[in-house]
Amino acid sequence: DAGITQSPRYKITETGRQVTLMCHQTWSHSYMFWYRQDLGHGLRLIYYSAAADITDKGEVPDGYVVSRSKTENFPLTLESATRSQTSVYFCASSEGHLASGYTFGSGTRLTVV
Amino acid sequence: QQPVQSPQAVILREGEDAVINCSSSKALYSVHWYRQKHGEAPVFLMILLKGGEQKGHEKISASFNEKKQQSSLYLTASQLSYSGTYFCGTGGNNDMRFGAGTRLTVKP
Repeated sequence: DAGITQSPRYKITETGRQVTLMCHQTWSHSYMFWYRQDLGHGLRLIYYSAAADITDKGEVPDGYVVSRSKTENFPLTLESATRSQTSVYFCASSEGHLASGYTFGSGTRLTVV
Repeated sequence: QQPVQSPQAVILREGEDAVINCSSSKALYSVHWYRQKHGEAPVFLMILLKGGEQKGHEKISASFNEKKQQSSLYLTASQLSYSGTYFCGTGGNNDMRFGAGTRLTVKP
């Protein structure tokens, strides 16, 4: 199916555990992004990637790691999960960055207990 | 820096109009507008690339004042389906930052 898919849809993990959120897009969009959404803060950028093997930090990168070995995949890893990382995580992709609209995945609701 | 949106929330009756504002302390190169329904992902509405540009999308339109570093989203003759949270996004060096959102509720 064409589009952008995130997995898992829901995840509960314990403090200190490593967890990876997956994001896959089928359009070969150059740009991919990870945002977290919390009440009162809207969408905050964690990391973004302009192309395969090119990644850069956003507003709130601490505690997160990303990689992009293939254009279509952009996984987000929480190295040692903390309760403050409980959030809804959205992956997005875009053909042309600022000049093109972003398409968001369905989101992953992560709870750290 | 995140753009600032106002108002934070607005309640309308069907058929009424609303304006949502988005302003930035930094120079704007583009402005995006998105709508998010509860429990769903944000959906792209439109993008404005140039100062003075105006765009329409059914009864939803937007303007971009590059000099004032602000954009406004206009919803006319609102429908129940317009309910949701509206976000503006403004472009930086190589990324986009979103405002905190405006929650719009349209009642019958």
